[in-house]
Amino acid sequence: SQQGEEDPQALSIQEGENATMNCSYKTSINNLQWYRQNSGRGLVHLILIRSNEREKHSGRLRVTLDTSKKSSSLLITASRAADTASYFCATDKEGDKLIFGTGTRLQVFP
Amino acid sequence: DAGVIQSPRHEVTEMGQEVTLRCKPISGHNSLFWYRQTMMRGLELLIYFNNNVPIDDSGMPEDRFSAKMPNASFSTLKIQPSEPRDSAVYFCASSIGHYQETQYFGPGTRLLVL
Repeated sequence: SQQGEEDPQALSIQEGENATMNCSYKTSINNLQWYRQNSGRGLVHLILIRSNEREKHSGRLRVTLDTSKKSSSLLITASRAADTASYFCATDKEGDKLIFGTGTRLQVFP
Repeated sequence: DAGVIQSPRHEVTEMGQEVTLRCKPISGHNSLFWYRQTMMRGLELLIYFNNNVPIDDSGMPEDRFSAKMPNASFSTLKIQPSEPRDSAVYFCASSIGHYQETQYFGPGTRLLVL
């Protein structure tokens, strides 16, 4: 079955730097979503981008989608220590379930 | 809104015992999802309800697992008998509409089967 694979698996940066995470998937999709999970907590939805969209912004977050390459990226600008979390992409296709990737663990050092 | 509510938050039980996890979705949401998260397998969908009807239960690992949604505001996930390999964090999520839309997750139930 299709699956989003995030890259890198782990990322460590200093506060103020930008963080970029990538997601690749295998088959065509309707939507792609990004979620954040703080340690010991449930997932929190960040952004949903539809297959006919190429870029979406939400505050310090920027998501791009390239359906020809079957990939997406999540950029967090001017990172903060509070951004420390795991980030997951989730993909779907019609008639199927939402599949979550393996996640990128982001550590932002103050 | 209180968000998705799950209980208990932590459960420790012995192998062979019955475990029941509970979920209250966000009011007005008509889809509900049960997920399991482990280090080895990541986040897996177990079962998905829409308008209280199970739509996809292909992720339910085996007959020991069962889920019900008797009404729009309550769902249970039962494991009987429990085994050590069932140890995981179990999440409930809900959404307006179908699985493609934004899902709102509960805080999870951390289950340890000894």
